[in-house]
Amino acid sequence: DAGVIQSPRHEVTEMGQEVTLRCKPISGHDYLFWYRQTMMRGLELLIYFNNNVPIDDSGMPEDRFSAKMPNASFSTLKIQPSEPRDSAVYFCASSLARELFFGEGSRLTVL
Amino acid sequence: GNSVTQMEGPVTLSEEAFLTINCTYTATGYPSLFWYVQYPGEGLQLLLKATKADDKGSNKGFEATYRKETTSFHLEKGSVQVSDSAVYFCALSEGGGATNKLIFGTGTLLAVQP
Repeated sequence: DAGVIQSPRHEVTEMGQEVTLRCKPISGHDYLFWYRQTMMRGLELLIYFNNNVPIDDSGMPEDRFSAKMPNASFSTLKIQPSEPRDSAVYFCASSLARELFFGEGSRLTVL
Repeated sequence: GNSVTQMEGPVTLSEEAFLTINCTYTATGYPSLFWYVQYPGEGLQLLLKATKADDKGSNKGFEATYRKETTSFHLEKGSVQVSDSAVYFCALSEGGGATNKLIFGTGTLLAVQP
């Protein structure tokens, strides 16, 4: 299996622009997680899905953030409008039986 | 609520030195415990895990024992290599139920010098 695939790997954008991050989980995994990693706050869970249904979005920082999982093989995390404080590495992870498999992350820089 | 506390880094060691990274947890029920490793520019990878008290997880020379009496899961390696330089995360998943949600510690940077 190819593992969890995220795109883009790097994104540089200007404040106010919309950002969409994409994730393809490992086939057959029934959980999908979005994490954000920064030096200041470490690894934060933003939202997770089970069988494509959002279960807990309490970690989503603001209404500017939204996530969808239209089918078992695709998820998006959208930030609109983006702000400099959103700069971070965003990780997607999928799991089966409590072992998480992470993608390589999307590094977002908002100028 | 459930939480994980791990020692702050960075931890700097010479090659072949003994490594300990402390991790303690607070949890209700019977969580599973994990160590994940993150190499520069990569995502996190599972290093080892333990699912019940007194279990020892091991992989690539690393070990950790699930100690319920001290609520700890310290990571150890007898002889580190330069290639072990990475950030190490301790994590727990809440016992029981269907969720696979993991709670991570803040991570400990390990730097091994030749």
